[in-house]
Amino acid sequence: DAGVTQSPTHLIKTRGQQVTLRCSPISGHKSVSWYQQVLGQGPQFIFQYYEKEERGRGNFPDRFSARQFPNYSSELNVNALLLGDSALYLCASSQSPGHLAKETQYFGPGTRLLVL
Amino acid sequence: AQSVTQLGSHVSVSEGALVLLRCNYSSSVPPYLFWYVQYPNQGLQLLLKYTSAATLVKGINDFEAEFKKSETSFHLTKPSAHMSDAAEYFCAVISGGGADGLTFGKGTHLIIQP
Repeated sequence: DAGVTQSPTHLIKTRGQQVTLRCSPISGHKSVSWYQQVLGQGPQFIFQYYEKEERGRGNFPDRFSARQFPNYSSELNVNALLLGDSALYLCASSQSPGHLAKETQYFGPGTRLLVL
Repeated sequence: AQSVTQLGSHVSVSEGALVLLRCNYSSSVPPYLFWYVQYPNQGLQLLLKYTSAATLVKGINDFEAEFKKSETSFHLTKPSAHMSDAAEYFCAVISGGGADGLTFGKGTHLIIQP
């Protein structure tokens, strides 16, 4: 079975631009979470979605938004990009959030975003 | 609130030696704890997880970890290091309903010396 897939793999943008990152979960998984990993740090939680509803949000500004589609894929949007948004953006999927705390989150390879 | 502290940003061991990576957590409710490994330019791969069953958890590639509530620790060990173990290791905690997502430590870079 295919794992979590993300696109694109790499992206270069300039300050002030907008970016959309995409994620396809493992087949049968209904929950998607997004994380930001700045170089040299651990991932930080941005959003969790389940059945197209936002179930959790980390400490990120409103420039960050996301959505989940009926096929459970997801998009992360970042507006008005700042240099500090340069990072590896990771998507993770799990079967359901009913017991999300216990369920394994399976991570994709990430999208590396560079903001110039 | 939940947090994770990983002691030692870099750990160096000889091939064949014991690996010990330290993780301490803070959580206001019973936590669930995870260890992930990240190879260069890749995503995160789960090594093992503690979900309130046995306190000694066995994972892939001979890694194991022991949950010690009294010490708020979840240290990762492997009896004999292999060159292929060189990677970044992250300890993570999640609690409650999980809506706050995983909280990760800053990571420990494991170096294996031949």
